[in-house]
Amino acid sequence: SQQGEEDPQALSIQEGENATMNCSYKTSINNLQWYRQNSGRGLVHLILIRSNEREKHSGRLRVTLDTSKKSSSLLITASRAADTASYFCATDITGGFKTIFGAGTRLFVKA
Amino acid sequence: DTEVTQTPKHLVMGMTNKKSLKCEQHMGHRAMYWYKQKAKKPPELMFVYSYEKLSINESVPSRFSPECPNSSLLNLHLHALQPEDSALYLCASSQPWREVYNEQFFGPGTRLTVL
Repeated sequence: SQQGEEDPQALSIQEGENATMNCSYKTSINNLQWYRQNSGRGLVHLILIRSNEREKHSGRLRVTLDTSKKSSSLLITASRAADTASYFCATDITGGFKTIFGAGTRLFVKA
Repeated sequence: DTEVTQTPKHLVMGMTNKKSLKCEQHMGHRAMYWYKQKAKKPPELMFVYSYEKLSINESVPSRFSPECPNSSLLNLHLHALQPEDSALYLCASSQPWREVYNEQFFGPGTRLTVL
């Protein structure tokens, strides 16, 4: 079963707008990661946030983590057509060895 | 070299065939993974190798047989597959979970079609 649930499932925005995606999870985690996947390709790691961190930035990406609510959000600012992809959150479970991916958000950025 | 390579890119096989998928990395990672991904779904973990030993098998049918011959190579042997096994098979590598936080590097995948 998948640990992470993401919303929205799909998001369509204009170039230049911000895109926000949310992820919720069920069990305690060591860290939470966000990955991007272009259609039919491998996943690319975007950012990792540790369970003792609340916010992290990387370029146009901002990730927040609220462990009390078991949720995370990914904000992409000033979106570009090249940001069109599926975005997945992934959690490493405390005491476990495996990474579980959420259902993903499909982002479409219109030029 | 920060790349994970996978061969072949595409594979079409019959249900009676035996084939193998290959994955290679030269980043010195000691954990390697196989995932299965159906269209518009997230990757699902199949196997994890840590230090060339199988550490996780997510109840995968025996028609899928993983092998880790050395720290750089990971194979997935396929035999008597079913049409529902058609999917994108992704390989990934990372430092072992217990040593550092588990950023995974993914290969481009093998698109498998079972007829």
